[in-house]
Amino acid sequence: AQSVTQLDSQVPVFEEAPVELRCNYSSSVSVYLFWYVQYPNQGLQLLLKYLSGSTLVESINGFEAEFNKSQTSFHLRKPSVHISDTAEYFCAVSEGQGNLIFGKGTKLSVKP
Amino acid sequence: KAGVTQTPRYLIKTRGQQVTLSCSPISGHRSVSWYQQTPGQGLQFLFEYFSETQRNKGNFPGRFSGRQFSNSRSEMNVSTLELGDSALYLCASSLELTQTNTGELFFGEGSRLTVL
Repeated sequence: AQSVTQLDSQVPVFEEAPVELRCNYSSSVSVYLFWYVQYPNQGLQLLLKYLSGSTLVESINGFEAEFNKSQTSFHLRKPSVHISDTAEYFCAVSEGQGNLIFGKGTKLSVKP
Repeated sequence: KAGVTQTPRYLIKTRGQQVTLSCSPISGHRSVSWYQQTPGQGLQFLFEYFSETQRNKGNFPGRFSGRQFSNSRSEMNVSTLELGDSALYLCASSLELTQTNTGELFFGEGSRLTVL
């Protein structure tokens, strides 16, 4: 059965520092990979996705993630974070059946 | 273009009662999915509807049910509420089945249910 592991439940970081949020998954078939972000008291927003093609995907606000099939990972990175990036980030996988499997989430806290 | 709208946003019920939550998808979206979010279990898939048909169902007891109407609006119902049903219930929509299948979803802000 597929599963998603987010290795860090909380990541504190100073503003303008780089950050990496780790995500590993297990699945016996090809998957689609996602990062969703949840700001306080809001729903989830799709941050970026890997469906096929280039293994490096980017968001409009400077985040990027790289699909590594051999390591079954999809880590999220940003070279310089802002206070406004403070949120909870969820890694998710889909095997194409119409349901997402989410990790437990990583709370990113950006301090001034 | 309005996003996914969920009502009510907050509600409090007591054990044994039932609750109905409503979701209006983005205009033109035909697929609606429901997820439960709790601190302990995280985000878990409840069910997914497309064109009024339930296509997929998560591992929840029969007390959890849902439906979709011809205008794509969806409702979910939880009967005989238990304390453990306290959660944020999120609805998500997508335009076509291909996006639902791959997981490209637009989420609402959720309905926060507290069971006392």
